Amino acid sequence: NAGVTQTPKFQVLKTGQSMTLQCAQDMNHEYMSWYRQDPGMGLRLIHYSVGAGITDQGEVPNGYNVSRSTTEDFPLRLLSAAPSQTSVYFCASSTGQAMAFFGQGTRLTVV
Amino acid sequence: RKEVEQDPGPFNVPEGATVAFNCTYSNSASQSFFWYRQDCRKEPKLLMSVYSSGNEDGRFTAQLNRASQYISLLIRDSKLSDSATYLCVVNQEGYQKVTFGTGTKLQVIP
Repeated sequence: NAGVTQTPKFQVLKTGQSMTLQCAQDMNHEYMSWYRQDPGMGLRLIHYSVGAGITDQGEVPNGYNVSRSTTEDFPLRLLSAAPSQTSVYFCASSTGQAMAFFGQGTRLTVV
Repeated sequence: RKEVEQDPGPFNVPEGATVAFNCTYSNSASQSFFWYRQDCRKEPKLLMSVYSSGNEDGRFTAQLNRASQYISLLIRDSKLSDSATYLCVVNQEGYQKVTFGTGTKLQVIP
């Protein structure tokens, strides 16, 4: 029973590098989302998807792209990493508006 | 004013105590409310939804006060394992407008 699987768990990038954070869920959930969590700021929504082929921007989308080609996968791409993107990233999935299942998180440091 | 505000704590309480957290929200059109629990360096986990009439799950009771625009979480008979950060979540305009509070840290002391 894998739930939501995020990879990698840790990553260090240099400024300007690009990378993709992977997120997969095996619960056939329609809703998936990406959040970042920074000290003192709570989780902030980056992008979300309400089904395969449908994505939309959240509160802090700049510098990130997403796609949803299948129900299971929802990767997050950092186009050109910046130190301001140093954060903990969480992927989540749900059948409804409460994000019931979160991945274990990716701790990203941009130097 | 922040859309969702929580007292960051920490709340240090002895085992067996009752503790309550409040969370205020600014948008009166907010539709649904939740409490999450997050352990140190772990992912958030849904603790419970908050219904208009109030709801209970074991030692946990959640309440909503729409007139004063706050939700509360009451924990009775605190256990050491309750030590965590409790996040308040407000859904304002459908799925795209889900706002997390910054969390209230609870430390239960032996």
